Amino acid sequence: DTGVSQDPRHKITKRGQNVTFRCDPISEHNRLYWYRQTLGQGPEFLTYFQNEAQLEKSRLLSDRFSAERPKGSFSTLEIQRTEQGDSAMYLCASSPSSGSFHEQYFGPGTRLTVT
Amino acid sequence: QKEVEQNSGPLSVPEGAIASLNCTYSDRVSQSFFWYRQYSGKSPELIMSIYSNGDKEDGRFTAQLNKASQYVSLLIRDSQPSDSATYLCAVRTGGAGSYQLTFGKGTKLSVIP
Repeated sequence: DTGVSQDPRHKITKRGQNVTFRCDPISEHNRLYWYRQTLGQGPEFLTYFQNEAQLEKSRLLSDRFSAERPKGSFSTLEIQRTEQGDSAMYLCASSPSSGSFHEQYFGPGTRLTVT
Repeated sequence: QKEVEQNSGPLSVPEGAIASLNCTYSDRVSQSFFWYRQYSGKSPELIMSIYSNGDKEDGRFTAQLNKASQYVSLLIRDSQPSDSATYLCAVRTGGAGSYQLTFGKGTKLSVIP
């Protein structure tokens, strides 16, 4: 049983460049979430998909951020024109839609450093 | 603004003792509550979930929920040095149809051998 996977695990980029991260959820989970975590803080919700539909977006998700889940399987998160304030750990989680608990399981994260 | 508050710690307990971690939340309609463990440099790992008032036990872990007081806690019995980590309290907020979690900043636990 494989868990949530994310790629790359680390990304260093220069300010102004675009970056894209990928998340593969647990295979039977149809809900997928993106969070961002900075040092000393808990994860902050960015967006949520049920299958291919993006159902919730945080105000943290500025116009420079876009997320997709085109076939309801893997998802990508793109950040355009990166800024130093975008440096953080980007976490993906997935959960099943059946059952009452909707527990979210996190992947290993992608650590982004913007120089 | 929906908030989840935790004491940042560090909380130090001797090996074999009970560690008690506390969390309060502001959104009265919150229905689902979770505890995650996060080792330094790693991602959060789900250890407990609770939905009803009262206690829920799983091995050495007990989660306690009091919705009237908007309070959730985690007890770790027979604490081990491997329990040393940051413990994140998370609350499912946003009402029906919303699945986003709001996290506290975490409590850093140190178990002293």
